[in-house]
Amino acid sequence: AQSVAQPEDQVNVAEGNPLTVKCTYSVSGNPYLFWYVQYPNRGLQFLLKYITGDNLVKGSYGFEAEFNKSQTSFHLKKPSALVSDSALYFCAVNPGGGNKLTFGTGTQLKVEL
Amino acid sequence: NAGVTQTPKFQVLKTGQSMTLQCAQDMNHEYMSWYRQDPGMGLRLIHYSVGAGITDQGEVPNGYNVSRSTTEDFPLRLLSAAPSQTSVYFCASSYGRKEKLFFGSGTQLSVL
Repeated sequence: AQSVAQPEDQVNVAEGNPLTVKCTYSVSGNPYLFWYVQYPNRGLQFLLKYITGDNLVKGSYGFEAEFNKSQTSFHLKKPSALVSDSALYFCAVNPGGGNKLTFGTGTQLKVEL
Repeated sequence: NAGVTQTPKFQVLKTGQSMTLQCAQDMNHEYMSWYRQDPGMGLRLIHYSVGAGITDQGEVPNGYNVSRSTTEDFPLRLLSAAPSQTSVYFCASSYGRKEKLFFGSGTQLSVL
């Protein structure tokens, strides 16, 4: 069975500092990995995905994620955080060939001035 | 281009009542799915469809039915509402399993 772990319920960072939101996964076969963001009282929005190729994936709003097969991780990063980045972030995995996308429990990111 | 449209936005039911959550997309997506979001549990897949006439169960299908008679619509039916079904429900669609999901704005359901 596939699973996703987001070990931190909340991440706090000062504006202008780099941020990392952690994600590890467990799947059979090659993983399709995604990051989504949810702003208050809104649906989720796609940030980026990894299917194959370069381990560093660039996405929307200056976010990027690094795929690490040996550590089964897909951490979300941004070099310089903004207050407007404050939101709930979800990692998700879909094993290649499957139709079921499994989400992590989410990490609340709070960026403070 | 409206994207994924969910109705209603809010709903309060009494235990045992039935209702249908509506979901429509105008992007000609083959893949559609329903998730529920509960605090501390992330999003959990209820049912999904890979095309008109084809549906399958997700992680938490009990108490819910779906059908897909057209590409555009994917309604979710609660047969006999229970307090455990109090949640926020999201419909999503995509071009396929490798592609990003487009989410609706959600339905907040309370079952008393």
